Amino acid sequence: NAGVTQTPKFQVLKTGQSMTLQCAQDMNHEYMSWYRQDPGMGLRLIHYSVGAGITDQGEVPNGYNVSRSTTEDFPLRLLSAAPSQTSVYFCASSYYEGRDRGLGYTFGSGTRLTVV
Amino acid sequence: GQQVMQIPQYQHVQEGEDFTTYCNSSTTLSNIQWYKQRPGGHPVFLIQLVKSGEVKKQKRLTFQFGEAKKNSSLHITATQTTDVGTYFCAGAAYGGSQGNLIFGKGTKLSVKP
Repeated sequence: NAGVTQTPKFQVLKTGQSMTLQCAQDMNHEYMSWYRQDPGMGLRLIHYSVGAGITDQGEVPNGYNVSRSTTEDFPLRLLSAAPSQTSVYFCASSYYEGRDRGLGYTFGSGTRLTVV
Repeated sequence: GQQVMQIPQYQHVQEGEDFTTYCNSSTTLSNIQWYKQRPGGHPVFLIQLVKSGEVKKQKRLTFQFGEAKKNSSLHITATQTTDVGTYFCAGAAYGGSQGNLIFGKGTKLSVKP
């Protein structure tokens, strides 16, 4: 199993450009989430999904869109990049709590995004 | 909204000393999870606590969940250089979705050999 795969690993964008961060998991996890990590701020939840076709906003959703058309994929779209979106982005997935409450979230290796 | 606070932000210890990080939530949690992130790496799941007053051990690590399910702690006995990293707690609000998992800001542990 590959686990949670994020692409790209690094990206530089110009202000106003749009892009999609890809996230795929092969563990048949129902839950998927996107976090951003900034120095001193910990991990902040952007959007999450509890299953295909279902998404919801987290703590810092503004400027980001998501969709979940399949169980495996959960892309994160930046509509018009801003310097404030410079961060490390992590995708994570998990079984839902009723199925297995002991395994927690599996994180991808992250995408380091710089907006200039 | 739900907030998860973690202290201290940084902890520097001599190898062999003990280490404790504390986690407090503004709301009652359905469960608490703990993660470790090594420098330059991604968070790795350590454990989940579900029951009020629950205590779990993993070798030198002891995890506790408070009686009110609003606080938790991670204690490391006799730290080693391999314990270096940032430790995060994360909780989902009671009655809410496990998908809405909110992280604390973490405690960064450094260990001097």
